Amino acid sequence: AQSVTQLGSHVSVSEGALVLLRCNYSSSVPPYLFWYVQYPNQGLQLLLKYTSAATLVKGINGFEAEFKKSETSFHLTKPSAHMSDAAEYFCAVSAIADDKIIFGKGTRLHILP
Amino acid sequence: KAGVTQTPRYLIKTRGQQVTLSCSPISGHRSVSWYQQTPGQGLQFLFEYFSETQRNKGNFPGRFSGRQFSNSRSEMNVSTLELGDSALYLCASSLQGLTDTQYFGPGTRLTVL
Repeated sequence: AQSVTQLGSHVSVSEGALVLLRCNYSSSVPPYLFWYVQYPNQGLQLLLKYTSAATLVKGINGFEAEFKKSETSFHLTKPSAHMSDAAEYFCAVSAIADDKIIFGKGTRLHILP
Repeated sequence: KAGVTQTPRYLIKTRGQQVTLSCSPISGHRSVSWYQQTPGQGLQFLFEYFSETQRNKGNFPGRFSGRQFSNSRSEMNVSTLELGDSALYLCASSLQGLTDTQYFGPGTRLTVL
């Protein structure tokens, strides 16, 4: 069985500051991990995904995430926040041997001027 | 390439009625999956169709059903609507399935009165 936990339903950072959104997962089989972003009144858009090729994954808009098996984590980071990063972010896990995709509850990112 | 389209975008129904939502995937994508998004439960996986067959299913009652046509277009049906079915229903398409990048449509906002 798989599960995803996103710590913090709301995160606020100042423009130009580091963005860190936390995601912990559990999976009994090798996972596929994803970060999606949702802007108001829109569907979700893929930021990046982990498929076991490399533990540090670079995505769009300057985001990256590091897969840490020992910590069962896949935290999302961006060195310098921009106002346009304000959105809701979802971590998700799926696996070849499983038959579902599980999303975290989401973290709403607020950017302070 | 055109994105995923969903119709209608907004829908208002009353309890006990049934509703059908439509999703047109990206050309060439054979997998279509459906999700329910609510403030309380977040984003939950409903089911996935691949080549006209339901391949995976989430934990939803039988009132939620779907189908996929030979052109990969998909419909989702909810019978005997309940107030709790009010939600944003998202569909996504992908090349191979749930371990692949999901491309989401803008969603159908269903309100049950």
